[in-house]
Amino acid sequence: ILNVEQSPQSLHVQEGDSTNFTCSFPSSNFYALHWYRWETAKSPEALFVMTLNGDEKKKGRISATLNTKEGYSYLYIKGSQPEDSATYLCAFWGRDDKIIFGKGTRLHILP
Amino acid sequence: EAGVAQSPRYKIIEKRQSVAFWCNPISGHATLYWYQQILGQGPKLLIQFQNNGVVDDSQLPKDRFSAERLKGVDSTLKIQPAKLEDSAVYLCASSLDEGTDGYEQYFGPGTRLTVT
Repeated sequence: ILNVEQSPQSLHVQEGDSTNFTCSFPSSNFYALHWYRWETAKSPEALFVMTLNGDEKKKGRISATLNTKEGYSYLYIKGSQPEDSATYLCAFWGRDDKIIFGKGTRLHILP
Repeated sequence: EAGVAQSPRYKIIEKRQSVAFWCNPISGHATLYWYQQILGQGPKLLIQFQNNGVVDDSQLPKDRFSAERLKGVDSTLKIQPAKLEDSAVYLCASSLDEGTDGYEQYFGPGTRLTVT
């Protein structure tokens, strides 16, 4: 049974601090790894689509890395702001078109 | 560019009733996905269409759920009859065919279904 694990489940971070969280996924049959941000009452928004081992992507204060050999990806947020409060989801895409989401990391930024 | 549209946004029904959700993807997006997200869980893929053909429906409970994508554009997801455990947010997403970035998905706002 394929499983995608995200940790931690929930995180409280002081405004201005940096933080990171993890997505673990099966290292076999890998095609792509997606990161999404899902704010309350809004649609999930794509942050990154990562396909190559060693990929590093950046969008403003948010960046992500990918290790397909060991099956993990990190998402980093530098200098957290209140608008970063959201649930961050990762999704594993297999070569057989299987798509599996993790349960998400709920991030709360404290003023 | 208009985003993915879904309706209704909220629906409350009694168990054993029927319900239907509608999704209009971004224009030109060949692939359409329906997800079920139960509280505390990650979204679960129910069905994936490419144009009007089904790519994957292995997790669709076919005894009660059905979906169609007419003319490869709009899609409807139906539940008949509904059970209490169907209470969830139903998300629709669409994507272009595979590109260098591999199927970036655009999500609609979701339909929150409550079955009582």
